[in-house]
Amino acid sequence: AQSVTQLGSHVSVSEGALVLLRCNYSSSVPPYLFWYVQYPNQGLQLLLKYTSAATLVKGINGFEAEFKKSETSFHLTKPSAHMSDAAEYFCAVSTNTGGFKTIFGAGTRLFVKA
Amino acid sequence: GAGVSQSPSNKVTEKGKDVELRCDPISGHTALYWYRQSLGQGLEFLIYFQGNSAPDKSGLPSDRFSAERTGGSVSTLTIQRTQQEDSAVYLCASSSSGPGSEQYFGPGTRLTVT
Repeated sequence: AQSVTQLGSHVSVSEGALVLLRCNYSSSVPPYLFWYVQYPNQGLQLLLKYTSAATLVKGINGFEAEFKKSETSFHLTKPSAHMSDAAEYFCAVSTNTGGFKTIFGAGTRLFVKA
Repeated sequence: GAGVSQSPSNKVTEKGKDVELRCDPISGHTALYWYRQSLGQGLEFLIYFQGNSAPDKSGLPSDRFSAERTGGSVSTLTIQRTQQEDSAVYLCASSSSGPGSEQYFGPGTRLTVT
């Protein structure tokens, strides 16, 4: 069975600072990994996804994530935070076997200070 | 084109009543998911449809919950004899194929059981 752990329910950074949101997963088979973002009063939308083509994945709005199998991690980063990045971020994992569910982490709310 | 739509957007019901929540996926999307998002929590997987069949309904929390999908399109989530702990936002998502594909989310139905 798959699982996802997001370290830190809240992360606060200053505008212009590095953003690092942590995600660790558990899966007995090769996983698909996703980051979704939920802006205030909006629905969830895909930020980026890993499907085994490349370990460093680039997404929208300058975000990227690196798949590290040895560390079972898929941390999300952005070199310079912008006020508009304030949102809730969800890491998710799914596989092609053992059921079709997508498991989401509990989410990390990102605050950006001026 | 049109995205995923859900109705109603808000539903207030008395404990013990039945409710039906509707999801209209993106046209042509074969996969459809239902999730539940409780306050301050991540997304909880409920059920996955591929076409009209549900190969994974392992997330349904009790036999009071059921879902169907007709014509490979519209899906209905039914909660019988609602309880206060059923209060949450119910999200629907669709995708063009299986677990490795991006999911497109609807705006959700906020259910309040009084």
